[in-house]
Amino acid sequence: DAGVTQSPTHLIKTRGQHVTLRCSPISGHKSVSWYQQVLGQGPQFIFQYYEKEERGRGNFPDRFSARQFPNYSSELNVNALLLGDSALYLCASSLLRGDETQYFGPGTRLLVL
Amino acid sequence: QQQVKQSPQSLIVQKGGISIINCAYENTAFDYFPWYQQFPGKGPALLIAIRPDVSEKKEGRFTISFNKSAKQFSLHIMDSQPGDSATYFCAAGRRGTSGSARQLTFGSGTQLTVLP
Repeated sequence: DAGVTQSPTHLIKTRGQHVTLRCSPISGHKSVSWYQQVLGQGPQFIFQYYEKEERGRGNFPDRFSARQFPNYSSELNVNALLLGDSALYLCASSLLRGDETQYFGPGTRLLVL
Repeated sequence: QQQVKQSPQSLIVQKGGISIINCAYENTAFDYFPWYQQFPGKGPALLIAIRPDVSEKKEGRFTISFNKSAKQFSLHIMDSQPGDSATYFCAAGRRGTSGSARQLTFGSGTQLTVLP
């Protein structure tokens, strides 16, 4: 079975630009969470979506937004990129019923120059 | 109050030895404590998780010890192998709104190296 997939794998942007990251959850999983992992640190929670509704938001500025589509895939958008947004962006999906494990994708490595 | 503190930052163990990583939390709302393993270029993968109603959970060579009163938990890797060399993250989760998955707060990670 395919795991969580994310695209693109790597991305280089310049300050002030906008970026869209995409995530496809494991088949049957309806919950998607986004995390930011800065080099040398643990992942930090950004957003959580379930059944296309936002169910949680971490301590990130309004430049960060996300949405979930009817097929449960998700997009993370970041506007007005800053150098400090350079990180690995991880998507995790959960089945919830009977298994609350969050399964992580390989991430998108974003470099802001 | 949302922090999870993890130590040590790095750990070097001989093959066959025991690796011990410790974490502490402050927020008593946390009710789920997973450990994740991450290899370079990969996303974190769940190793083992525990709820606060038990003091210990063992799965193969991996054991979580949980001390609710001290708000501390630890991962023990028995008979450590070179293939265990990776970064390990503890996390603490609390349930969000109805129907949502737990929001995880991660520790800063421990780089484990197991020497052959």
